[in-house]
Amino acid sequence: ETGVTQTPRHLVMGMTNKKSLKCEQHLGHNAMYWYKQSAKKPLELMFVYNFKEQTENNSVPSRFSPECPNSSHLFLHLHTLQPEDSALYLCASGTGRDEKLFFGSGTQLSVL
Amino acid sequence: DQQVKQNSPSLSVQEGRISILNCDYTNSMFDYFLWYKKYPAEGPTFLISISSIKDKNEDGRFTVFLNKSAKHLSLHIVPSQPGDSAVYFCAASFMDSNYQLIWGAGTKLIIKP
Repeated sequence: ETGVTQTPRHLVMGMTNKKSLKCEQHLGHNAMYWYKQSAKKPLELMFVYNFKEQTENNSVPSRFSPECPNSSHLFLHLHTLQPEDSALYLCASGTGRDEKLFFGSGTQLSVL
Repeated sequence: DQQVKQNSPSLSVQEGRISILNCDYTNSMFDYFLWYKKYPAEGPTFLISISSIKDKNEDGRFTVFLNKSAKHLSLHIVPSQPGDSAVYFCAASFMDSNYQLIWGAGTKLIIKP
């Protein structure tokens, strides 16, 4: 398998649920990213990991908790989300030395 | 305040004609610009980029033009093909940003047969 794989593709959860999004990259990249895309809005950077170390946290609420156990895997743990958190969550990877990112297909999240 | 703006939410172009997608930015520190293309149910894919030291970069049917004085860049697709129907995102970065991108909201391009 090649590229960046995200699971699940779709997720519906209640505000009291706990769920996790998973991302895996097979490109040998050192940097991994979580982005949020709301309808008709720019992509919002949430977290950046470089060599498994978190290098950016763009003021993301604590109900989103990232985890990067190694350079190939990235998780986003979700708990007590709000309806306004409904969006497409995109994972990306890159070399960390330039701006070209490789994205997964995203997880379409709906919070009821 | 959006630093990268794509003011046209959508654009409809006849197959075979030229598609021109526009992007404006406010931060004069940006020194690298990229275009990404996104199909429904897929993540964005890198299309073409340009450094601020250039004013044009061409790759097959795709050409990006940069006008630094106007803080404006455009993506030209010629000739437009049905497979070009997608959402196009403009993004920018600057040297001290650790390669992080600032994104526009996207323009949906529809190629009519």
